[in-house]
Amino acid sequence: DTGVSQDPRHKITKRGQNVTFRCDPISEHNRLYWYRQTLGQGPEFLTYFQNEAQLEKSRLLSDRFSAERPKGSFSTLEIQRTEQGDSAMYLCASSPGGRAQYFGPGTRLLVL
Amino acid sequence: ELKVEQNPLFLSMQEGKNYTIYCNYSTTSDRLYWYRQDPGKSLESLFVLLSNGAVKQEGRLMASLDTKARLSTLHITAAVHDLSATYFCAVGKEETSGSRLTFGEGTQLTVNP
Repeated sequence: DTGVSQDPRHKITKRGQNVTFRCDPISEHNRLYWYRQTLGQGPEFLTYFQNEAQLEKSRLLSDRFSAERPKGSFSTLEIQRTEQGDSAMYLCASSPGGRAQYFGPGTRLLVL
Repeated sequence: ELKVEQNPLFLSMQEGKNYTIYCNYSTTSDRLYWYRQDPGKSLESLFVLLSNGAVKQEGRLMASLDTKARLSTLHITAAVHDLSATYFCAVGKEETSGSRLTFGEGTQLTVNP
């Protein structure tokens, strides 16, 4: 059973460093989503791709954040010049069109 | 802006009892989801509700949707300890947002023996 996978699962970094996360969606799922979840809150939408096209970005996604899905398969989310407020769980989800989104295990980021 | 509200946010109940979690949303939507999250884990899809009057059941959980009232409910029957988790409802709208989901704050359910 190959669900959504994310790497790394945990990341500790110092403020000001850059970090990159990877998401591998379920194969044949053309849509890929990134969400951020802080403690005690529901996930918040960041951005989504349909195939390789990035179709929407949330206002939460400042210019320090960039996401790519170069070949319409895996995606990367990069955060430049990390801040303590970036500490959160970063969740990736994929879906076959406008149907149920299947979430990966998440990458937990701690910025010191 | 779409807003999703759940209540209660915290629910402590005894095994064997019944209870309902409510999810209200602010604008029209064409799909509603219920997810379960265990501590430190990701989200597990429970139900997808697509039309007014839709009702789905899985084990001790039953979800329903009233699009006119913009309300969904998650009913728990004869709760057991294994149901302890946080439950989220989420709303999406394909036409305008590509089905990106807006989540409620979650209901943290604790089932006590």
